[in-house]
Amino acid sequence: QSALTQPASVSGSPGQSITVSCTGTSSDVGGYNFVSWYQQFPGKAPKLILYEVTNRPSGVSDRFSGSKSGNTASLTISGLQADDEAYYSCSSYTTIGTWVFGGGTKLTVL
Amino acid sequence: QLQLQESGPGLVKPSETLSLTCTVSGGSITNATDHWGWIRQPPGKGLEWIGSIYYSGNTYYNPSLKSRLSLSVDTSKNQFSLKLISVTAADTAVYYCARHVFNGGVFDLWGQGTLVTVSS
Repeated sequence: QSALTQPASVSGSPGQSITVSCTGTSSDVGGYNFVSWYQQFPGKAPKLILYEVTNRPSGVSDRFSGSKSGNTASLTISGLQADDEAYYSCSSYTTIGTWVFGGGTKLTVL
Repeated sequence: QLQLQESGPGLVKPSETLSLTCTVSGGSITNATDHWGWIRQPPGKGLEWIGSIYYSGNTYYNPSLKSRLSLSVDTSKNQFSLKLISVTAADTAVYYCARHVFNGGVFDLWGQGTLVTVSS
């Protein structure tokens, strides 16, 4: 199984919105709504911020939202804040009953 | 609240076996809705799902690691474990254990992670 494709980096200014893409195939992202997103600060464990494409766990800001079109899922962060600067990774269930992650995207808040 | 903690050697020699244990506290590893997973992250790289296990012993492995991997669970100790044989430098990574909720396909609680370096 191949890793999902994410841009290596994205950036935005405070208050702006940014979108991180996560591209897979019809055997993973495109085939299921089991796409989740994780936020990770350097040296720390990942934290779940979205699941089943659009759902937020309790306590996660509504500035984080998700969507999916075809084989590509997207994470949008609106009203960008300095403490959003982190790495963001996507994950998906796959046809063969496994889970695959993306390579991760570094978000820089300018 | 539920917490997970990885433990094991931080240094393993090439060709030897990497063994890690995850201790679950604040809840039971036999909770019917929960599986338990291992994920790793090589330095500067992305996350990789290693495998997951249910308390009954049912296992799910990453096909790329399946031939070298064994997961087990000890319900009496509220622990689950990973063994990876014949390691190489490519297995150097931070290893995380996590609660794996199959219904939803998420890893919703993570341990802090432990760095395992493969080197002679």
